Amino acid sequence: QKEVEQNSGPLSVPEGAIASLNCTYSDRGSQSFFWYRQYSGKSPELIMFIYSNGDKEDGRFTAQLNKASQYVSLLIRDSQPSDSATYLCAVRSGGYQKVTFGTGTKLQVIP
Amino acid sequence: SAVISQKPSRDICQRGTSLTIQCQVDSQVTMMFWYRQQPGQSLTLIATANQGSEATYESGFVIDKFPISRPNLTFSTLTVSNMSPEDSSIYLCSVRDSFDYEQYFGPGTRLTVT
Repeated sequence: QKEVEQNSGPLSVPEGAIASLNCTYSDRGSQSFFWYRQYSGKSPELIMFIYSNGDKEDGRFTAQLNKASQYVSLLIRDSQPSDSATYLCAVRSGGYQKVTFGTGTKLQVIP
Repeated sequence: SAVISQKPSRDICQRGTSLTIQCQVDSQVTMMFWYRQQPGQSLTLIATANQGSEATYESGFVIDKFPISRPNLTFSTLTVSNMSPEDSSIYLCSVRDSFDYEQYFGPGTRLTVT
């Protein structure tokens, strides 16, 4: 079982719709969860982080965490073509606080 | 967040040679990391650069192949030694201000080995 799992996509949504990106993780002791956006040919950019169960909103982005189900998601409201990118889920865990990345979900927002 | 720069941004190298990549941060950071991202793949941690001591390498990465230096809290280098085409990748410097803070990435170095 992979430590951090994401559907590779592509996930296609029409402009203005809500994009829902999902991630599961295997280490029940994980404490911190991150979403990075990576445009083609660019480095990852941190867009959201969440540490507690529940929802965290920042502009059009909402991160959702359910530690009991070992599940974290990212919702993008009013999706724009500029949101088209690969979204990487990352989880920090262990005594060494190592960050492990998923393989990413490619999002395509169709104008 | 800290501003991170890397040099070179890209390079094309011959098989058997070595390349040193520099990472400079505009503020002191506790932790610095080196990642590799091969085409179409996610990020793989190579090592944690420790100031004033030897780097901590992940499984599958060794110091002879990827020597790392970290002379102070704002600078680190990664050398890719005796390169082969399999080393063609993007190499990314990443920093974390403290043990439990968020982690940020530099712009990356795109390496092609011919």
